[in-house]
Amino acid sequence: AQKVTQAQTEISVVEKEDVTLDCVYETRDTTYYLFWYKQPPSGELVFLIRRNSFDEQNEISGRYSWNFQKSTSSFNFTITASQVVDSAVYFCALSEASGANNLFFGTGTRLTVIP
Amino acid sequence: NAGVMQNPRHLVRRRGQEARLRCSPVKGHSHVYWYRQLPEEGLKFMVYLQKENIIDESGMPKERFSAEFPKEGPSILRIQQVVRGDSAAYFCASSPTLPFGGGSYEQYFGPGTRLTVT
Repeated sequence: AQKVTQAQTEISVVEKEDVTLDCVYETRDTTYYLFWYKQPPSGELVFLIRRNSFDEQNEISGRYSWNFQKSTSSFNFTITASQVVDSAVYFCALSEASGANNLFFGTGTRLTVIP
Repeated sequence: NAGVMQNPRHLVRRRGQEARLRCSPVKGHSHVYWYRQLPEEGLKFMVYLQKENIIDESGMPKERFSAEFPKEGPSILRIQQVVRGDSAAYFCASSPTLPFGGGSYEQYFGPGTRLTVT
């Protein structure tokens, strides 16, 4: 069965600090896809990244970086030099190639960046 | 280049009434997904549709809920005889046709419809 665990329910950091959001997943598929979405206070879901299971390269996009480690079934997300606009709920999600492409979401991590 | 559109953004219904939520996917996208987000929780998959077909409804409650994606027009999520427990945010997402042999594309989400049942 598939499962996504985001153990950190809430995190608060002071502006300019770095912060890492953890995501651990479970799946029996050998081919799967991992995602991160951001949900700001306005409520919409903003796509951040998609990673397939065959690509373990870490990725950096501006202040955002992602660390994918199959050995520990983790797909962690780091924000460098956090800003107040980063305050949001962040969701990690999984889809399986054998499935219908629907996403299984973690319960989210609420990040608050304090000015 | 319009993204996924959902309306209404907010919907208030009394217990026992019907709720109709509409979703227009990104132009050219043929796959639509509906998710429900209960307060303070993550999103839960409900149903996956292609034009005129329900592909996977494993996340849909067995009663009172139905979904369609007609050949013309938006996808509709319909909740009959709403109860207080149906109060949630309902998100629609769309994706392009999946690559041959399987795979996955990112899903583009609409802004959601917040349903309140009084």
